[in-house]
Amino acid sequence: EAGVTQSPTHLIKTRGQQATLRCSPISGHTSVYWYQQALGLGLQFLLWYDEGEERNRGNFPPRFSGRQFPNYSSELNVNALELEDSALYLCASSRSPGTASYYGYTFGSGTRLTVV
Amino acid sequence: TQLLEQSPQFLSIQEGENLTVYCNSSSVFSSLQWYRQEPGEGPVLLVTVVTGGEVKKLKRLTFQFGDARKDSSLHITAAQPGDTGLYLCAGFLNAGGTSYGKLTFGQGTILTVHP
Repeated sequence: EAGVTQSPTHLIKTRGQQATLRCSPISGHTSVYWYQQALGLGLQFLLWYDEGEERNRGNFPPRFSGRQFPNYSSELNVNALELEDSALYLCASSRSPGTASYYGYTFGSGTRLTVV
Repeated sequence: TQLLEQSPQFLSIQEGENLTVYCNSSSVFSSLQWYRQEPGEGPVLLVTVVTGGEVKKLKRLTFQFGDARKDSSLHITAAQPGDTGLYLCAGFLNAGGTSYGKLTFGQGTILTVHP
């Protein structure tokens, strides 16, 4: 079974540009979650999509947005990039919101975004 | 302010030593999970605890959920270099609203086990 795949693995952008990050969940998983991890420490919740709808978002400005496609894949868009947006962006999936509370999330390896 | 406070933030020990990592909150969690993350990879789930007072063992790792479901600990016996990594606790709040479906992470503990 293929795991959660993210692309690209690395992305270098200039301040003010836009970045698009992509995620394919595990087959059969309908929920996709996005997290930001700075400095190799704790994860900050960004967005949660389930069945094509945004279910919850974290305390991030509106220039962080995304969507989920009919095949449950998802993309995260970051507009007007700032230097402090440099981080590892992790995508995770779960079979459904209810199962995540016991079976947890399955994470991808992340996209390392560097803003210069 | 972190909803889940992990301590210590850094831990450097010798092979064979025991260690404990703590995860504390003033909020009640419906379930709490521990993940381990290695460089260049995403976090991988180690265990989920759901019942207050629950203890789970995974080889040399022992996980405990506090009676009030506000705290948890991870104890490693006879640590090995292969245990090196970032350990993260994470929980689902026992509440709705903006907390719905959101897994909240602690800031993590970087463990280094020297041979």
